[in-house]
Amino acid sequence: GDSVTQMEGPVTLSEEAFLTINCTYTATGYPSLFWYVQYPGEGLQLLLKATKADDKGSNKGFEATYRKETTSFHLEKGSVQVSDSAVYFCALSDWQAGTALIFGKGTTLSVSS
Amino acid sequence: NAGVTQTPKFQVLKTGQSMTLQCAQDMNHEYMSWYRQDPGMGLRLIHYSVGAGITDQGEVPNGYNVSRSTTEDFPLRLLSAAPSQTSVYFCASRRQGMNTGELFFGEGSRLTVL
Repeated sequence: GDSVTQMEGPVTLSEEAFLTINCTYTATGYPSLFWYVQYPGEGLQLLLKATKADDKGSNKGFEATYRKETTSFHLEKGSVQVSDSAVYFCALSDWQAGTALIFGKGTTLSVSS
Repeated sequence: NAGVTQTPKFQVLKTGQSMTLQCAQDMNHEYMSWYRQDPGMGLRLIHYSVGAGITDQGEVPNGYNVSRSTTEDFPLRLLSAAPSQTSVYFCASRRQGMNTGELFFGEGSRLTVL
């Protein structure tokens, strides 16, 4: 079945460092790909998405490109801030096939000043 | 806007007790779902519903019941709680048929079963 694999955490960075969180997926169809973020004590919220190959999703300085050839959707940010400290989840779905959102296990990011 | 509202936020149960986690949304979303979040496991789908009167099982449905009598409400019932059900539970909803991917989540309900 469909699945998502993302890098284990925690990831610890200093403010203004470059961030990459790797995400790869397995899917039988043509899924849409997402990054969700969970701030401490809160529910998840959508950070960015891409619905087809070569699409780039972006939001709040974060970017991710849908790479069909490598089945990847890595999250990047050029300069992280303390306020970016959170848990990041990669997810996929194939709504047309009726699949629910499938999440990776999450990567905890901790940014220090 | 209230969005997705979950109650209670915290609950402690003894093994064998029953309880209901409440979820309500005011966005007229057809699709509603329950996930559990466990350390190192990510989020796993328990049950979901695509409209009033329609429910289906997710990845980990055992030990949980759901019903959907209205568009707004989607309660999750634990009939006989077990320590393995200690977790954080999230309710989420979206418009059915829209390929936006944006699930709207509640703030979570932390359940401890002793």
